[in-house]
Amino acid sequence: DVQLVESGGGVVRPGGSLRLSCAASGFNLETHGMSWVRQAPGKGLEWVSGINWNGNSRGYIDSVKGRFTISRDNAKNSLNLQMNSLRAEDTALYYCARQFQLGNDAFDIWGQGTMVTVSS
Amino acid sequence: DIQMTQSPSSLSASVGDRVTITCRASQSIDNYLNWYQQKPGEAPKLLIYGASNLQSGVPSRFSGSGSGTDFTLTISSLQREDFAAYYCQQSYYTHSFGQGTKLEIK
Repeated sequence: DVQLVESGGGVVRPGGSLRLSCAASGFNLETHGMSWVRQAPGKGLEWVSGINWNGNSRGYIDSVKGRFTISRDNAKNSLNLQMNSLRAEDTALYYCARQFQLGNDAFDIWGQGTMVTVSS
Repeated sequence: DIQMTQSPSSLSASVGDRVTITCRASQSIDNYLNWYQQKPGEAPKLLIYGASNLQSGVPSRFSGSGSGTDFTLTISSLQREDFAAYYCQQSYYTHSFGQGTKLEIK
């Protein structure tokens, strides 16, 4: 089965760091762009960051620029998100999502998410 | 940045109703518009990509239309399992989502 599984979430104090990971199975991660999308409790979806198939192009929402870094390890079929200087407003369920190349980069496969809580 | 605005924010309807949700982009996005369904406690599910293309496995009662800045998602005859939140998303320049439409049972 095609699957994405996130890990690395948890509770962290403001100013702290976390590293999220997303393990892909059932397909070759190298052939797809990938993104992180978050959802604060009771709120809507927010795209956070994306990376192209070979890692040469990365994008971020303005509120995380300079604090978050997206990376990928195609040999390990995994995607990562290093989150530094965390703020309360970063509290959310973080999903990794596969970009559908033939579908205008729509997100066709999603993980179940990993929860990040930033609180003192 | 491209802003996406959905309307309505919430909607009450009955099984069998025809429902339309609209999405407007702050600038032209050609047909780089996608629609998702999200049920409580679940990850989003892709319904429509490229404004009007039905994702594999999605029932044909779902359809999408539009181009440029104005788009619609239509459910032709609501089923009980369709009561959920719906989001539009542009993939023309990076990505951004609409604020969502919560579809509830009347």
